[in-house]
Parts: sequence; C-alpha cells; structure tokens
Amino acid sequence: KAGVTQTPRYLIKTRGQQVTLSCSPISGHRSVSWYQQTPGQGLQFLFEYFSETQRNKGNFPGRFSGRQFSNSRSEMNVSTLELGDSALYLCASSSTGDTGELFFGEGSRLTVL
Amino acid sequence: GQSLEQPSEVTAVEGAIVQINCTYQTSGFYGLSWYQQHDGGAPTFLSYNALDGLEETGRFSSFLSRSDSYGYLLLQELQMKDSASYFCAVRGLSATNKLIFGTGTLLAVQP
Repeated sequence: KAGVTQTPRYLIKTRGQQVTLSCSPISGHRSVSWYQQTPGQGLQFLFEYFSETQRNKGNFPGRFSGRQFSNSRSEMNVSTLELGDSALYLCASSSTGDTGELFFGEGSRLTVL
Repeated sequence: GQSLEQPSEVTAVEGAIVQINCTYQTSGFYGLSWYQQHDGGAPTFLSYNALDGLEETGRFSSFLSRSDSYGYLLLQELQMKDSASYFCAVRGLSATNKLIFGTGTLLAVQP
C-alpha cells in the first residue's frame, strides 16, 4: 500500500511569489490535513479537508489556502510569499477512524529568499 | 486555547528506559497521541490513548491521566535508532482530524 506522497520535496522561491504544493493520500483515505513545521513554532495545523470540503482551519492568514479533489488528492497554495513562510509543509491522511492516527508524507521543504 | 508542553531534550543510554512527559491545558479532547520524527523525516504514529491508563505497544508504552492533565511516553530497552524527536498531540472534540501538537522532545540515545 503506497504511503502519502508529497511533491515537490524541495523548492526555493522568492518573496512575493506564490507556491502550490501537492499531496496524494493513502488510497481510501478521505481526510487530508496540512501542517507547517518550523524550528520556532513546531508543528502547526493549517487546514483539513474531507470529501472535498474544508472541515477545519488553523490560525493562518488568508494567503494560505487549499483544496481537495474528488480523488482525495489535495493541494495547498501560499500566495505573496514571505520569508517567514520558509518551513517544512507536511500533509497527512487518515481514514475516518477514531484512533488519532495520521499518516504523514515526507513533506515539502519550502525556502523563501 | 490549547497548549501541550514537553521537555525540549532528553538524553539516555542504550538499553535504558526513558519517560517523556506531556502536560497540557485544553478544554477537552478525544485522546492523546504520540508521534516519532527522525531528522528530516515524516512523523510516524506510535500510540493513542483515548481513555486514562496505560497502553502498551512493544517497547513503547503511553499513559494518560485526564484528571492530572498529563501523559507520558515510556520507551524501554532503548536503541540507537530511537534517537529522534517525539511529539504528543491531542485531537479535538469535534469530528475532525485536526491535531494540536506539543512542543516536541529531542531524544538522544548514547552508546
């Protein structure tokens, strides 16, 4: 069973640009959530999608957005990039089970110059 | 709001037992999870406590006490490969897979 796949793994952007990150969940998983990981702030929840609907959203500015497609694949977009957006962006998928178990991808490491 | 505090670093030797604590302030949650993350890697699920008490999974055990707002991860027979960061996390009461993660503990296992 393939794991969670995130692309690209690494990318470098400059301030003001925008970026789109992609996540393919484990087959059969309908929930996809996104997290930002930085040394200073740790792992912070961005948003969660379930069956193409945003089910929850973290405390991030509107520059951060996402969507989920009918095949459960998800994308997140960050517009007008700032230096502080440099981080590891992690995607996690889950079934609807009540075990608190998320399956994470390797992440997309974004560097903003 | 919700916050989960962990010690920033813990050092132990191979073969020893180590306990990583997680104290939290939250109005309510479904359960407490633990994740392991090796440097540069994906966090991987270790355990989940929905109820108070001890859950054992091989060399790892996790404990939750809601009355004390406290949980811990216990790692036995430490191996070098256990050197990693460990995070506790709570899942909110609503139907969601939103997790609030703790500050993380970097475990260094020495020979």
